[in-house]
Amino acid sequence: EIVMTQSPATLSVSPGERATLSCRASQSVSNNLAWYQQKPGQAPRLLIYGASTRATNIPAWFSGSGSGTEFTLTISSLQSEDFAIYYCQQYNNWPYTFGQGTKLEIK
Amino acid sequence: EVQLVESGGGLVQPGGSLRLSCAASGFTFSGYWMHWVRQAPGKGLVWVSRINSDASRTTTTYADSVEGRFTISRDNAKNTLYLQLNSLRAEDTAMYYCARGRAAVPGALNWFDSWGQGTLVTVSP
Repeated sequence: EIVMTQSPATLSVSPGERATLSCRASQSVSNNLAWYQQKPGQAPRLLIYGASTRATNIPAWFSGSGSGTEFTLTISSLQSEDFAIYYCQQYNNWPYTFGQGTKLEIK
Repeated sequence: EVQLVESGGGLVQPGGSLRLSCAASGFTFSGYWMHWVRQAPGKGLVWVSRINSDASRTTTTYADSVEGRFTISRDNAKNTLYLQLNSLRAEDTAMYYCARGRAAVPGALNWFDSWGQGTLVTVSP
């Protein structure tokens, strides 16, 4: 099973600032990597797939990069609604696996 | 608009069974792989199972933790996905989400582009 490790566990950032979230895979997943956002009491929402392609209706201030084992989700200018938990997920190998999440909180 | 609505969760004793349902609408259900993902209270997301879209040659995959106890199925005529949960354990307590799989090429690797709101399964004496 591929282990996905996200860092940091918690990230404190002020509104308007940039946030950089990291995700590392224990072996190469090519670009088969997705990012999801989850707010309290809600289902996850797809943000990014294919490591760098924004999903439908996802604002342009979200961007993804990376391939192989190292990936990054960047939120260029944090809005109040962006404070949530973010998960990366590899879909290159079964079983599909998620990272443990990064909680993005208001500083 | 794509909608996925789960139901069937509840409180069950260890060793018991439940059947979860996921009613789909707003898209051609028969054309998509479908998945179940669960989330224990206060914990992260864990993929559980998937089923392909081809009703004539159904294939399924399970996480090791549920293999042999859970069964995924679908009824394309009813636009509904199911998950049969047997021999339930305390560690199966979680919110269970159904999710639609998307792929760059049909039948290929899936990401999850739509999720239901989940149904809560609690396993306790």
